[in-house]
Amino acid sequence: AQSVTQLGSHVSVSEGALVLLRCNYSSSVPPYLFWYVQYPNQGLQLLLKYTSAATLVKGINGFEAEFKKSETSFHLTKPSAHMSDAAEYFCAVGHNAGNMLTFGGGTRLMVKP
Amino acid sequence: GAGVSQSPSNKVTEKGKDVELRCDPISGHTALYWYRQSLGQGLEFLIYFQGNSAPDKSGLPSDRFSAERTGGSVSTLTIQRTQQEDSAVYLCASSFGSGGRAAETQYFGPGTRLLVL
Repeated sequence: AQSVTQLGSHVSVSEGALVLLRCNYSSSVPPYLFWYVQYPNQGLQLLLKYTSAATLVKGINGFEAEFKKSETSFHLTKPSAHMSDAAEYFCAVGHNAGNMLTFGGGTRLMVKP
Repeated sequence: GAGVSQSPSNKVTEKGKDVELRCDPISGHTALYWYRQSLGQGLEFLIYFQGNSAPDKSGLPSDRFSAERTGGSVSTLTIQRTQQEDSAVYLCASSFGSGGRAAETQYFGPGTRLLVL
């Protein structure tokens, strides 16, 4: 079975600081990996996804993530946090057989002025 | 273009009542998914529809939950005899449903917030 672990349910950074949100997965086959963002009272919006092409994936709003097979990780980063980045972030793995997404527990990012 | 829409946005019901939640996917998307987001369980897959194929119901938590998709478009999730533990946000998503579906982007609606009193 595939699973996703997000370390840190809450992360707080200062405006302008580096954002690092951690995601580790377990999968018996090459995974498809996604990062979604959820703003308050809204649905999930795709930030970026890894589908076995380039290991460094660039997404929207200045975010990027690097797929590291040896570490089974897909951490999300952004060089400089903005106040508007405050939201909940979900890492997810796609299933070849079932088509559904399996989500991590989410990380709430807070940005301090 | 229009995204995934869901109705109602909020629903308050009494324990034991039935509720219906509606999802309108993006036009042209053949794949449709229902997920549940709750404090205790996070985001969980419930059910998946692809075209005219039999749905994947493997995520439905009990036989009180059912869903249908009419005409390959609109979907309704029905919860019978609601319980307090059914309180959650129910999210619908759709995707193109082409080959390599596990890699497809799923587009999410804003969700229906269900509160069972």
